[in-house]
Amino acid sequence: SAVISQKPSRDICQRGTSLTIQCQVDSQVTMMFWYRQQPGQSLTLIATANQGSEATYESGFVIDKFPISRPNLTFSTLTVSNMSPEDSSIYLCSVDGWKDNEQFFGPGTRLTVL
Amino acid sequence: GENVEQHPSTLSVQEGDSAVIKCTYSDSASNYFPWYKQELGKRPQLIIDIRSNVGEKKDQRIAVTLNKTAKHFSLHITETQPEDSAVYFCAASPPGSARQLTFGSGTQLTVLP
Repeated sequence: SAVISQKPSRDICQRGTSLTIQCQVDSQVTMMFWYRQQPGQSLTLIATANQGSEATYESGFVIDKFPISRPNLTFSTLTVSNMSPEDSSIYLCSVDGWKDNEQFFGPGTRLTVL
Repeated sequence: GENVEQHPSTLSVQEGDSAVIKCTYSDSASNYFPWYKQELGKRPQLIIDIRSNVGEKKDQRIAVTLNKTAKHFSLHITETQPEDSAVYFCAASPPGSARQLTFGSGTQLTVLP
């Protein structure tokens, strides 16, 4: 499977600021996804990022709050804007595998908002 | 949209015993059902998956069964070991190009030595 990295691995941010999380893959992938995992909870899909088109957001997530870029087939960014303590979570990117529907996850970014 | 329910939320077993985790899904069109293992502080790892054209799949000590009629699927771990202790998530995905995964709420499995 592909090697997936995320930067930063963790950060502590002040309320009202923004943080951009990077996801890098060592091979070209068609689809990249961004998930949120709140403390002790399951994974919730934020959006699907396709190269060359706007991201597709799930119910409850909006582009103004979570802008996403997908400039090429190996890279994507997720920005968490105007942060509040409720945004404290682990943010994970995932990529599709060789088989249909397979997804593999990056190591995650642990965000704490004070 | 899809809704996936998972139970139990916690499960403790003695080393060597079997563990079973069950999930139900709501969208009869879903056709891909993966299971992920997440150790503390680590990323979810895909451990096994099953597609709707198959009723059972095994990989060493791990097996998954699917009942399309009842819309439920289960993870079976035999001969459990302490290193099996983790949170396990089931998920479901619809057909087509969207490929979103909807996750269950997770099961904390503890294997007692």
